[in-house]
Amino acid sequence: AQSVTQLGSHVSVSEGALVLLRCNYSSSVPPYLFWYVQYPNQGLQLLLKYTSAATLVKGINGFEAEFKKSETSFHLTKPSAHMSDAAEYFCAVAQGTASKLTFGTGTRLQVTL
Amino acid sequence: GAVVSQHPSWVICKSGTSVKIECRSLDFQATTMFWYRQFPKQSLMLMATSNEGSKATYEQGVEKDKFLINHASLTLSTLTVTSAHPEDSSFYICSARDPSGRAEGTQYFGPGTRLLVL
Repeated sequence: AQSVTQLGSHVSVSEGALVLLRCNYSSSVPPYLFWYVQYPNQGLQLLLKYTSAATLVKGINGFEAEFKKSETSFHLTKPSAHMSDAAEYFCAVAQGTASKLTFGTGTRLQVTL
Repeated sequence: GAVVSQHPSWVICKSGTSVKIECRSLDFQATTMFWYRQFPKQSLMLMATSNEGSKATYEQGVEKDKFLINHASLTLSTLTVTSAHPEDSSFYICSARDPSGRAEGTQYFGPGTRLLVL
């Protein structure tokens, strides 16, 4: 069994501020973890993924996430928010390359001036 | 690379008609594709897993006779909503799994199809 919890359905930051979106997972086997971003009325775009290699994963658009097994977390960060980062962010877990994804409930990021 | 397209991007139909949505992997061969449904301001709900050349596997509570899935080639899967009703109105998103070594089984998503049934 696998599950994902995203704390905070809505996060608001000022432009230029640190972005931190939280994701905790539960998995009975070593997980594969993903962050996707969704802009309004669009599909999901892969930001980054963890597949048992380096624990600090760098993705597109300046985002990165760190896999912490002891905390069962995979939080997404970006040092400096940009207005274009405003979107819905989904964390997802899979139990292998052939496993289906289980999504969190999503976090809406708002970036203010 | 890893581009997935969907067609149409939006569709409006009358109650009782059937609607077909296409999902294509443009630059890789996908033995497995997935169909999701998303309600406003909610997460994605997996409807079914589509494997090329075999019957789709439906999630619990999803009517297979209502949502017909065909995966006839390695680059194309279709979802047909049969006898659509207003409650079928939703945002439907497909994804395709890239089985190549570089992708490590990552799912790439299409842009979605918004269905409105009147």
